[in-house]
Amino acid sequence: DAEITQSPRHKITETGRQVTLACHQTWNHNNMFWYRQDLGHGLRLIHYSYGVQDTNKGEVSDGYSVSRSNTEDLPLTLESAASSQTSVYFCASSDSGVQQETQYFGPGTRLLVL
Amino acid sequence: GQQVMQIPQYQHVQEGEDFTTYCNSSTTLSNIQWYKQRPGGHPVFLIQLVKSGEVKKQKRLTFQFGEAKKNSSLHITATQTTDVGTYFCAGSLNFNKFYFGSGTKLNVKP
Repeated sequence: DAEITQSPRHKITETGRQVTLACHQTWNHNNMFWYRQDLGHGLRLIHYSYGVQDTNKGEVSDGYSVSRSNTEDLPLTLESAASSQTSVYFCASSDSGVQQETQYFGPGTRLLVL
Repeated sequence: GQQVMQIPQYQHVQEGEDFTTYCNSSTTLSNIQWYKQRPGGHPVFLIQLVKSGEVKKQKRLTFQFGEAKKNSSLHITATQTTDVGTYFCAGSLNFNKFYFGSGTKLNVKP
């Protein structure tokens, strides 16, 4: 069965370190998204991609970067981790089309920045 | 700023009571989606609304999209303990990226 996975599921890091969160989907979806979820803010879009070599900034992109070298993967990098980036990170993917299809979410990564 | 506002933030009901959560946008949306997230889980797609005034039903769940496509609601009739979770709306301006509401956390007492 097709799926979307994230790794690691839990991560503790220190301020200033570079951290990369992996997202892998086997749906063969063109669209991939990274969100962060914080209490009281719901899900906020960090970066998104509509296909290989395409990346776009979301509403909270500062301090994060992504790259899309193939259809299956969209790794999220925190260039220099800050305590404000402690959060739960969700990756999602969707099929492309005239009307946006449903987004399938990964299980999430809990990141703690000390 | 946040494009989609959602209320209430929390709702505690007795099993069997009804529940409604509302989403409002200051701008006209192209479409809106609803998701449910169980405690400790990830958001799971429930439904998408596209047409002005659209109403869709899934068993005890009724979803509405306003005539002006600026607001939406999710109504659950006769809640059950399995309905516990956080319900999110997600609105789009042009059928691409989505802006999520802050969610309504539903607790159902047996």
